[in-house]
Amino acid sequence: DTGVSQNPRHKITKRGQNVTFRCDPISEHNRLYWYRQTLGQGPEFLTYFQNEAQLEKSRLLSDRFSAERPKGSFSTLEIQRTEQGDSAMYLCASSLTSGGRTDTQYFGPGTRLTVL
Amino acid sequence: LAKTTQPISMDSYEGQEVNITCSHNNIATNDYITWYQQFPSQGPRFIIQGYKTKVTNEVASLFIPADRKSSTLSLPRVSLSDTAVYYCLVGDPRWEYGNKLVFGAGTILRVKS
Repeated sequence: DTGVSQNPRHKITKRGQNVTFRCDPISEHNRLYWYRQTLGQGPEFLTYFQNEAQLEKSRLLSDRFSAERPKGSFSTLEIQRTEQGDSAMYLCASSLTSGGRTDTQYFGPGTRLTVL
Repeated sequence: LAKTTQPISMDSYEGQEVNITCSHNNIATNDYITWYQQFPSQGPRFIIQGYKTKVTNEVASLFIPADRKSSTLSLPRVSLSDTAVYYCLVGDPRWEYGNKLVFGAGTILRVKS
């Protein structure tokens, strides 16, 4: 257990529905990242936050995706109008930035999304 | 971002030492080399990180030659529970670059009894 938790662990939904995932990072970590991983591939970066500010979004993050970290603590990732291609493991990671550099990223267990 | 190349898979037996080599010919001056381990249905787990020469922790050793164009992760005396995917990553950890991790396909290590 890295200290990063994600909920739910599994989500099955029908195409066209909206889903929301939650990530609770390690409490003192000021950076939070979202990644997506499909079967047989390594994780791909989606977006990251420095405290409550979303600093970068990948081209993979279409308009149907939105992420928030309202108080600089937990984060949510919402997918609207889900498509079958959204089926993947969604991973959250957190790290501490200090002294001009970012330390190790610690990953949560992931949320596996299946879109039927 | 530097691209990494590592073997698709490796097989080993319990008790053996396993060395996984990663090549990163275009590594930049400020890039560090980091290895993660991932079990099925779990998030990646940090193993070790280094910049040059040799780094050792309680889990593994990381060997980096002077030109830094490759690195070798060494796992001593592997057990069945070390069966996992191992990812080699290179990246600049400085604050302004975001430290977005770029994963390749990784190396599937299978440990047999």
